Amino acid sequence: KQEVTQIPAALSVPEGENLVLNCSFTDSAIYNLQWFRQDPGKGLTSLLLIQSSQREQTSGRLNASLDKSSGRSTLYIAASQPGDSATYLCAFNTDKLIFGTGTRLQVFP
Amino acid sequence: EAGVVQSPRYKIIEKKQPVAFWCNPISGHNTLYWYLQNLGQGPELLIRYENEEAVDDSQLPKDRFSAERLKGVDSTLKIQPAELGDSAVYLCASSPSRGYNEQFFGPGTRLTVL
Repeated sequence: KQEVTQIPAALSVPEGENLVLNCSFTDSAIYNLQWFRQDPGKGLTSLLLIQSSQREQTSGRLNASLDKSSGRSTLYIAASQPGDSATYLCAFNTDKLIFGTGTRLQVFP
Repeated sequence: EAGVVQSPRYKIIEKKQPVAFWCNPISGHNTLYWYLQNLGQGPELLIRYENEEAVDDSQLPKDRFSAERLKGVDSTLKIQPAELGDSAVYLCASSPSRGYNEQFFGPGTRLTVL
């Protein structure tokens, strides 16, 4: 069965910290991996897409890496802000997205 | 450019009643997905369309769920009759084509079955 595991399940940090969210997956035959943000009661906002041939992608304070051989991806958030508080979901794509259960992040002032 | 549009945003119904959700994907996107998200979980695929063809509906409970995308643009997902366990968020997503492309999600429909 294809599975995605996200660690930690929840994280509470003071503003300004650099954060690392981890995602591991069981299927190496992926097209790509996507990181999403979900605010309470809202849909999913795509943050970063890493194609299977790529090693990392960057957008502003966000950097995501992909290691297919070990089945791992990492989302790095630099200089966290209260507005970053949300649930972060990773998903690998094999014609459909297989999601983890997410990391609930709270950044307090 | 408009994103994925879904309606209604919220729906409350009694069990055994029918309910329908509508989705309009991003213009030009050929692939449309319906996902189900239970509380505290990641979304799970219900059905994937390539244009008007349902190419993966293996996770769709066909005894009570149905979906259509008649003209290859907007789509409707229906539940009849609804059960208490169907309470969840129903998300629609689209992408330019299968596989390699980024998927974009709508705001979802939150269904509560009483």
